[in-house]
Amino acid sequence: DIQMTQSPSSLSASVGDRVTITCRASQGISSYLAWYQQKPGKVPKLLIYAASTLQSGVPSRFSGSGSGTDFTLTISSLQPEDVAAYYCQNYYSAPYSFGLGTKLEVK
Amino acid sequence: EVQLVESGGGLVQPGGSLRLSCAASGFTFSSYSMSWVRQAPGKGLEWVSAISDSGLTPYYADSVKGRFTISRDNSENTVFLQLKSLRPEDTAIYYCAKGWGSRGYYYYFMDVWGKGTTVAVSS
Repeated sequence: DIQMTQSPSSLSASVGDRVTITCRASQGISSYLAWYQQKPGKVPKLLIYAASTLQSGVPSRFSGSGSGTDFTLTISSLQPEDVAAYYCQNYYSAPYSFGLGTKLEVK
Repeated sequence: EVQLVESGGGLVQPGGSLRLSCAASGFTFSSYSMSWVRQAPGKGLEWVSAISDSGLTPYYADSVKGRFTISRDNSENTVFLQLKSLRPEDTAIYYCAKGWGSRGYYYYFMDVWGKGTTVAVSS
């Protein structure tokens, strides 16, 4: 089974900062990686798929990159509404595991 | 509007069973995979199970294999998750989610989520 490792587990940054979250797969998954955002008390929301394709309606300050085993989610200019937990997911092969998540706070 | 509505959660004793349902509307249900994802209190997302569009191919997390069974009824636009031999660690919100698909390509990541149904396993 493929294990997904996210870092950091939590992060505090200021409004306007550039924020980067990393996700590493235990084996190569090509670009079969998705990122989700879950705001406090809310349902998860798809942000990015195919490692770098922005889901419709997602602000352009979000971007994704990577392939193989190493991936990043970047927020170019952090906004107060970006307070959330962020999760990566492998969809290369079952089980379609998630990373443990990164909790993002705004200072 | 694409919508997923889960039901069937509740309080159950260890070793007990439950059947979760997810009613879908607003899209061609039979064309998409469906998944169940759970979230224990204060914890992250855990992928639990998925089923192909036809219903012929199920997938399970190791943590639930042999205890949970996913199925779907494409005539009723509903996906099910049968939970058996429940343990306290199965306590969670269970989300139903629609697999992504476009232009003939279909994958097991999720673009639409329901609001979830809560399962509590306790004596």
